[in-house]
Parts: sequence; structure tokens; C-alpha cells
Amino acid sequence: DQQVKQNSPSLSVQEGRISILNCDYTNSMFDYFLWYKKYPAEGPTFLISISSIKDKNEDGRFTVFLNKSAKHLSLHIVPSQPGDSAVYFCAARRENEKLTFGTGTRLTIIP
Amino acid sequence: EPEVTQTPSHQVTQMGQEVILRCVPISNHLYFYWYRQILGQKVEFLVSFYNNEISEKSEIFDDQFSVERPDGSNFTLKIRSTKLEDSAMYFCASTIRGAGAGELFFGEGSRLTVL
Repeated sequence: DQQVKQNSPSLSVQEGRISILNCDYTNSMFDYFLWYKKYPAEGPTFLISISSIKDKNEDGRFTVFLNKSAKHLSLHIVPSQPGDSAVYFCAARRENEKLTFGTGTRLTIIP
Repeated sequence: EPEVTQTPSHQVTQMGQEVILRCVPISNHLYFYWYRQILGQKVEFLVSFYNNEISEKSEIFDDQFSVERPDGSNFTLKIRSTKLEDSAMYFCASTIRGAGAGELFFGEGSRLTVL
């Protein structure tokens, strides 16, 4: 039961360009969404989050957009830097419940 | 910056053996979690723990699994009789409030290889 889906297993982007990572969810009860970044042999690191009452949240180079009607969220990274190369996990939860993760998208920034 | 620490970083064990994975959550955190990631797959929830008891567990967390907070700092995951399919990266996480209040802080993970 994949409630959180990341349909692109990998993405390559030229350095300096915009990276757009997408995530879809099926559970309309989710009310909080997060993006985590993961380097090999390390644990997931929190990147940015958004509450279901908002449609956009920005933090430096990172912006998360939420489209509740489409049950879709995206992470924009601009400009992309080589250090952004990692696996990005979308995660979602209902209030006071566990996080449900997507399958991840491997982002490669090409210098 | 405070962090979640996990030991061992890698453990190799024979099928049927008991394994204990250890975690030291961030000191003022109250909610603790174990997640795992089988190679190439998504990060999966195993169990959450608060106030010295399990608050939620997944279908994966069967009778072979147990968690314990034996003292004020450690949070352990025990697998009583390991199976080949238990091979995965196990992540401990903690948060100061419940998962409803923000992000989880993850440790670097313990890689378990069952032969």
C-alpha cells in the first residue's frame, strides 16, 4: 500500500539549474509533509516541511509546493549545487501519527 | 549540534541469531522511533515509543522484534531470531514532541547483514 509515491527514481540536473522533485500521495488525511535528504551510509536529514494549510514554503534555495486537490507536492531547488546530489525522500503523516516515506528520488547534479 | 547516535554501524550475523541495535537519542527528546530501509527500497516505519511503552508498531514489527529503553539514554531494538529478510539499514529517530509536531531527527543507521 504505497500511500506516498515518488515516480521518478532518478533525476539529473545541470549545476545552476532548477531541480524539481515530485511526490504524490493517496491519503487525503495527511496533514503534514516533509522532505528528507539522504547521503549514502547516512540517516535521512530533514530538509523542509509544509503543513496542509499552506501551499508553499520557502527556505533559502529550497521551496516546497503543495497542491492538495491534486494530492501532489514538489520540491524545487534553485540553483542546484553539486552538494545537492543525494536521495530525496518525500514523507507525509496524519496528525500525531508516524511518518510514511516515499521510495526516494536520486538527484545527481552535473557540474 | 545534538545528534542521534547508533551502534554498531554494521553488524553481520548468522540466520537465527539474536541481534541488538543500540541508539542514543537526542537528550531532551521524548519520542523514539525505529525505521528500516531494505536496499533499494523505501524507508519503512517499524515502531514508535513514548513514556516507556510502544505507542505504534507496523506489521513488520512482529514477535521477533522488541524495543527497550533500559536507562535514561539508550533505546534498543532487539531481533530475537534473525531471518535473511531482516537484512537492512536500521535507523533510529527521535523528536522532542510527537511526530505531529515536526520533523524527526535520524541517526546514521546500523547496517544489518544476515547470512
